[in-house]
Amino acid sequence: DAKTTQPNSMESNEEEPVHLPCNHSTISGTDYIHWYRQLPSQGPEYVIHGLTSNVNNRMASLAIAEDRKSSTLILHRATLRDAAVYYCILSISYSGAGSYQLTFGKGTKLSVIP
Amino acid sequence: EAQVTQNPRYLITVTGKKLTVTCSQNMNHEYMSWYRQDPGLGLRQIYYSMNVEVTDKGDVPEGYKVSRKEKRNFPLILESPSPNQTSLYFCASRGGIRHEQFFGPGTRLTVL
Repeated sequence: DAKTTQPNSMESNEEEPVHLPCNHSTISGTDYIHWYRQLPSQGPEYVIHGLTSNVNNRMASLAIAEDRKSSTLILHRATLRDAAVYYCILSISYSGAGSYQLTFGKGTKLSVIP
Repeated sequence: EAQVTQNPRYLITVTGKKLTVTCSQNMNHEYMSWYRQDPGLGLRQIYYSMNVEVTDKGDVPEGYKVSRKEKRNFPLILESPSPNQTSLYFCASRGGIRHEQFFGPGTRLTVL
């Protein structure tokens, strides 16, 4: 399985943008890039996913390098509620309900400073 | 409200006493799975199910059983729990070709 590398921890000031990096140098052409986050005492929560193009949704933006060997999750304005562990995960492409699995790494613990 | 529910949320039991952790989703999702989360090891998949009556092993299936007799339910069964199964367990579901996976609130299990 293709692996991801993330920093163990990062800090951000409240109301400032946060860029969470992820390296995935062994990514294959059919691997999707997923980001989940886990708030304290909760289950993981989907944030965003992408394949090749940059993606935006109400929670965050995902910037994918042209060679797809790295990506960055962007929180445009960090709040205290964004303090969580953020996981960058690769999953194989699927058809229908095929063999799609998420293999979680250790993630990046984001601390938000008031 | 779309959700994945797990019961119980907390359980303390003794070695060898069979237990079942239930998981239910109300989103008509085909795919369901179970994970365990341990400090330093992250989330690891135990079993998953592509649809009713279709289940398969994940990365750490030893000591666990699952069944998928109905689309909405995916119980996790520990026939003879041991202390090394003390962990935080999460159930998750996903619909068809959609990428977003929904997780339950977790079940904290302690086996003495």
